Amino acid sequence: QVQLVESGGGVVQPGRSLRLSCAASGFTFSNFGMHWVRQAPGKGLAWVALISYNGVNKFSTDSVKGRFTISRDDSKNTLYLQMDSLRAEDTAVYYCAKDGGFRSAVLETPNAWGQGTLVTVSS
Amino acid sequence: DIQMTQSPSTLSASVGDRVTITCRASQSIGSRLAWYQQKPGKAPKLLIYKASSLEGGVPSRFSGSGSGTEFTLTISCLQPDDFATYYCQQYNTEFRTFGQGTKVEIK
Repeated sequence: QVQLVESGGGVVQPGRSLRLSCAASGFTFSNFGMHWVRQAPGKGLAWVALISYNGVNKFSTDSVKGRFTISRDDSKNTLYLQMDSLRAEDTAVYYCAKDGGFRSAVLETPNAWGQGTLVTVSS
Repeated sequence: DIQMTQSPSTLSASVGDRVTITCRASQSIGSRLAWYQQKPGKAPKLLIYKASSLEGGVPSRFSGSGSGTEFTLTISCLQPDDFATYYCQQYNTEFRTFGQGTKVEIK
């Protein structure tokens, strides 16, 4: 079955960088778009970024544009989120999620999620 | 960005109740709406996609309806396992947005 395992979270100072990884298994990774979604402590879900199955289309929410970069390595079945210039408001659990659309350029909605990795931005 | 507004924010109900949650979009999104359930400390779980399509393995007491800007999630007969927070999400544009969530509590 689909398994998504995030890693790379931790405590980081404001202005520093962190790279999250998401190891995928149980499906053909290269056929599906992927998402990052975050959840600040005690708050709701917030979509962060998406990447199409072929890596061509990438979009991110305004609050992380220019600071976060989503990428994928299909040879390693791994999704990444490079987070630079981190701010206190980026503190959250970060989930990676598999899109429900097969080889879809426009992507659908996530139908499988990892358990999340906590990123804490604090001095 | 498209804004998604859920109501109510909190709902108190009893086992066996029929429960309805509403989600409104700031502009038309067709049927490109999903509903998720999340329990404390757990990842979200997809319940409904394309506004009214039930995800595989989800009990039939969950149903979704609506199109355009107004959508509803209905739980026909609330079960103990259904006490959780529910989120709608639009995926009509590349910039996805979630509603703020509706917490379903035990009355």
